[in-house]
Amino acid sequence: QPVLTQSSSASASLGSSVKLTCTLSSGHSGYIIAWHQQQPGKAPRYLMKVEGSGNYNKGSGVPDRFSGSSSGADRYFTISNLQSEDEADYHCETWNSDTRVFGGGTKLTVL
Amino acid sequence: EVQLLESGGGLVQPGGSLRLSCAASGFTFSNYGMTWVRQAPGKGLEWVSSITYSGGSTYYADSVKGRFTISRDNSKNTLYLQMNSLRAEDTAVYHCAKITAAGTTDWGQGTLVTVSS
Repeated sequence: QPVLTQSSSASASLGSSVKLTCTLSSGHSGYIIAWHQQQPGKAPRYLMKVEGSGNYNKGSGVPDRFSGSSSGADRYFTISNLQSEDEADYHCETWNSDTRVFGGGTKLTVL
Repeated sequence: EVQLLESGGGLVQPGGSLRLSCAASGFTFSNYGMTWVRQAPGKGLEWVSSITYSGGSTYYADSVKGRFTISRDNSKNTLYLQMNSLRAEDTAVYHCAKITAAGTTDWGQGTLVTVSS
């Protein structure tokens, strides 16, 4: 089954851009992934799915500042014009017919 | 608006049982697969179990296989998780969620399960 690898932490300054990475394990580079945001003390919130082609589809109400992309086994999530409310944990997820897998999550700090 | 409301969590002794429920509204429940995902204190998300829209197929993480049972009642728009032989490592917030071809697209707030003597 696939494994997802994320950096444990990232930081960027208010108003800047940040790009988070989720890497699929060997043999699973074609998988679709989803990104989720989890603000402190809250439930996760679905942000978007990202395909291996780089196409991405955002969920309802997700800000235009948020985008996705892809390169090989890497799936990216980019926030532009970083805001204080973007400080959160970001989780990636993938799935196949009988399993769902989450990455370890990246804690994003807004400086 | 999709709403998912979990209940049934609480404090239970090791080896005990609990049954979680998830009341769904705002969408046609019987058309969607559903899943349970848990989060231990200070840890990441861990998939627990999924069930197809009809309930005809169920899937489990190795960590809970043989101890947990997922089910659904489409007439009541409710998802369940029966948890037996609970262990300390099952302590977590349990979220129910709706799944689609785009991933896990809607989450409940979660219910806390604490396994401790």
